[in-house]
Amino acid sequence: DAGITQSPRHKVTETGTPVTLRCHQTENHRYMYWYRQDPGHGLRLIHYSYGVKDTDKGEVSDGYSVSRSKTEDFLLTLESATSSQTSVYFCAISAQGRTFFGQGTRLTVV
Amino acid sequence: GDSVTQMEGPVTLSEEAFLTINCTYTATGYPSLFWYVQYPGEGLQLLLKATKADDKGSNKGFEATYRKETTSFHLEKGSVQVSDSAVYFCALSLDSGSARQLTFGSGTQLTVLP
Repeated sequence: DAGITQSPRHKVTETGTPVTLRCHQTENHRYMYWYRQDPGHGLRLIHYSYGVKDTDKGEVSDGYSVSRSKTEDFLLTLESATSSQTSVYFCAISAQGRTFFGQGTRLTVV
Repeated sequence: GDSVTQMEGPVTLSEEAFLTINCTYTATGYPSLFWYVQYPGEGLQLLLKATKADDKGSNKGFEATYRKETTSFHLEKGSVQVSDSAVYFCALSLDSGSARQLTFGSGTQLTVLP
């Protein structure tokens, strides 16, 4: 698993509340990613980071922000959660020409 | 834009049957191609990859050949097992600035019956 830990693993939140998901890695990799997984869509890239304080948007970035103040942590924030953001969120890192994924966070917005 | 089109599922097979999951892609450059597998409740794991035309990726009895002329990367296995039941994703990467952003297909659910 390349030392990737996502927290929380499950969360239920109400519409309009802020939510932050955390991805922690232990191996000092430079590149980190947030994807969301939805039926019929596979995984889609939300945001990615190529270093501390260096981030960029992916395919489905609207409604999400990210921060990376330390190499090991990559945070995904939903400023005001909506039901369309109910999904499974995966963090990933790139290393040795491969991409490794975390276990995922199941987020339900009610 | 870049995209991956994957065979619609779900696919149900009997143990020891032959498996093919079709995958075609559209890309502006020369992508690397991947198959990932996701077991229930887990993240995605790399199954195999190919980085240039005519390369064959293989792992755990699964194979896929990078066909540039047909823009395809079909996954095959000669004899599936119950333990192969999972969701399979085809993906590509154009390696933008060394960040290996992946574009995924929609996934194919495979169920193998004993």
